[in-house]
Amino acid sequence: NAGVTQTPKFQVLKTGQSMTLQCAQDMNHEYMSWYRQDPGMGLRLIHYSVGAGITDQGEVPNGYNVSRSTTEDFPLRLLSAAPSQTSVYFCASRRLANTGELFFGEGSRLTVL
Amino acid sequence: TQLLEQSPQFLSIQEGENLTVYCNSSSVFSSLQWYRQEPGEGPVLLVTVVTGGEVKKLKRLTFQFGDARKDSSLHITAAQPGDTGLYLCAGPAGGTSYGKLTFGQGTILTVHP
Repeated sequence: NAGVTQTPKFQVLKTGQSMTLQCAQDMNHEYMSWYRQDPGMGLRLIHYSVGAGITDQGEVPNGYNVSRSTTEDFPLRLLSAAPSQTSVYFCASRRLANTGELFFGEGSRLTVL
Repeated sequence: TQLLEQSPQFLSIQEGENLTVYCNSSSVFSSLQWYRQEPGEGPVLLVTVVTGGEVKKLKRLTFQFGDARKDSSLHITAAQPGDTGLYLCAGPAGGTSYGKLTFGQGTILTVHP
């Protein structure tokens, strides 16, 4: 009964370092997405995917890359971390690309020093 | 980008009181969703409203979608400490159901025993 699994849960980086946040879902969902959550700003969409091999930018894509080589996995890469990327990151998926309930992971808290 | 404005941003009440949270936009949405998030976890869907004027009840929670489909409200009757959390409204960006889901900034509710 895993649902959406994110790793790591916590990470501290230095400015300029790169890293990958992992996201996997076992529900055979078409749609996967990454959000960041900052105080007072709700959830902002970074990138999303409507199926394997298809990705698109969200509201705040700069500094992040994604790929979707399989239905199950949707990793988020930070190319050169900046303090402005300190945030809590959530991966979410839903069964259909165009509608339905979003299922979220438990979040990954990233601090960039 | 279609914006969703939530009010109030913070709400602190005593157990047994009633409260209403509002989600407003200048744009028409084909549907709106409400999510609840507890500390350290991802948001969880409470309800989806799709028809203008629609009212849905979930135990002590009542959700309403405005006639013009530009706003929604969440009313909690006789709040309990277990209702404490972050409440988020969300709607499809661009007025369609496809792809992106945009979130309001959230309402932090604290219910004191």
